[in-house]
Amino acid sequence: GENVEQHPSTLSVQEGDSAVIKCTYSDSASNYFPWYKQELGKGPQLIIDIRSNVGEKKDQRIAVTLNKTAKHFSLHITETQPEDSAVYFCAASPLNTGNQFYFGTGTSLTVIP
Amino acid sequence: DAGVIQSPRHEVTEMGQEVTLRCKPISGHNSLFWYRQTMMRGLELLIYFNNNVPIDDSGMPEDRFSAKMPNASFSTLKIQPSEPRDSAVYFCASSFHRDSPLHFGNGTRLTVT
Repeated sequence: GENVEQHPSTLSVQEGDSAVIKCTYSDSASNYFPWYKQELGKGPQLIIDIRSNVGEKKDQRIAVTLNKTAKHFSLHITETQPEDSAVYFCAASPLNTGNQFYFGTGTSLTVIP
Repeated sequence: DAGVIQSPRHEVTEMGQEVTLRCKPISGHNSLFWYRQTMMRGLELLIYFNNNVPIDDSGMPEDRFSAKMPNASFSTLKIQPSEPRDSAVYFCASSFHRDSPLHFGNGTRLTVT
């Protein structure tokens, strides 16, 4: 089955700097890659996603890139703010799995004011 | 859109007791998922349903765990008998169709003493 690895497990940045979180996946059939943000006491919330037919997607300060050849995808947050502090999860969903999602182990991001 | 609704938010019970967690998915969503989150193992898929039918329950840890979806707007996850190692946050999520994002509830924090 699919195996998703996520790095780093913890990340601290100064407010205003950029943060990058990287994930790799093993199943070349994966075609959908969402990113989730989880704040304390809440469930993961979708912040951005990308499908295998595009290489990059951007939404304001958040962007995701996908390299299908290398089987890795990354989350980029620019101009970080304290409210960006949370745990971020990447996920991969392979074709023909009935909508199964395989999650990374999470990155705890702290933005220092 | 009220989102995915889970109850209770917190459950504290003694070992050996039966525990029932409840979930109301987003109206119109065809797929429902139960996840368990712990520090050690991250997000684990327990079971998922498509159109109220269980598709894959290979993630259910033991026969003590069971899940039902009697209709499109309600699902339960039952643990009987509960054990301390079942302590975790249990999330329910729903999605509209395959390759569409998951929408998570805010979880039920279960503590078994």
